[in-house]
Amino acid sequence: DTGVSQNPRHKITKRGQNVTFRCDPISEHNRLYWYRQTLGQGPEFLTYFQNEAQLEKSRLLSDRFSAERPKGSFSTLEIQRTEQGDSAMYLCASSFGEQFFGPGTRLTVL
Amino acid sequence: AQKVTQAQTEISVVEKEDVTLDCVYETRDTTYYLFWYKQPPSGELVFLIRRNSFDEQNEISGRYSWNFQKSTSSFNFTITASQVVDSAVYFCALSGSYQLTFGKGTKLSVIP
Repeated sequence: DTGVSQNPRHKITKRGQNVTFRCDPISEHNRLYWYRQTLGQGPEFLTYFQNEAQLEKSRLLSDRFSAERPKGSFSTLEIQRTEQGDSAMYLCASSFGEQFFGPGTRLTVL
Repeated sequence: AQKVTQAQTEISVVEKEDVTLDCVYETRDTTYYLFWYKQPPSGELVFLIRRNSFDEQNEISGRYSWNFQKSTSSFNFTITASQVVDSAVYFCALSGSYQLTFGKGTKLSVIP
């Protein structure tokens, strides 16, 4: 399969724990994006990479959130000290033109 | 700031009916792109179309058609002869450079 992949697909954690998600983009795409989607809403932009450089971060991305894209390939999104408000679907997209989305990681914080 | 409004929260149609999903946008950019994505119950966002702000020509792809009117800042999406498989949430989105700004989506239910 040559689409965007994300792991894990589901994550349940207790409040205060750290979680890390992984995104593998389409191989020839140099741009990678993270979005967050809550129930009944459209996806909201979190951050953007061009190759390994993180070029933009949304104000939604608090200090507890960090994203990396070492070597400009896969990316990780880490949330430290999770809160119940972090429960959402975390979507990754990659592009060379239009953005193609992965299946998402659904996070539930208990 | 960019904004996308999808005023229709939910629409139900009977199979084979035509349906139009509305999208109105706001932007100060002179060059921008408009998109439609489909999110079926499985959850994955599926890219449908991208249009740039300089191309107001309407587009048809099978049962799907898009009407872009810059004068009214609208980019509406019509499904002709709807089918049950069209049931999904449809998102309109706007981009000035890289990040996408999405509307809240319209949930379309096609009843057999």
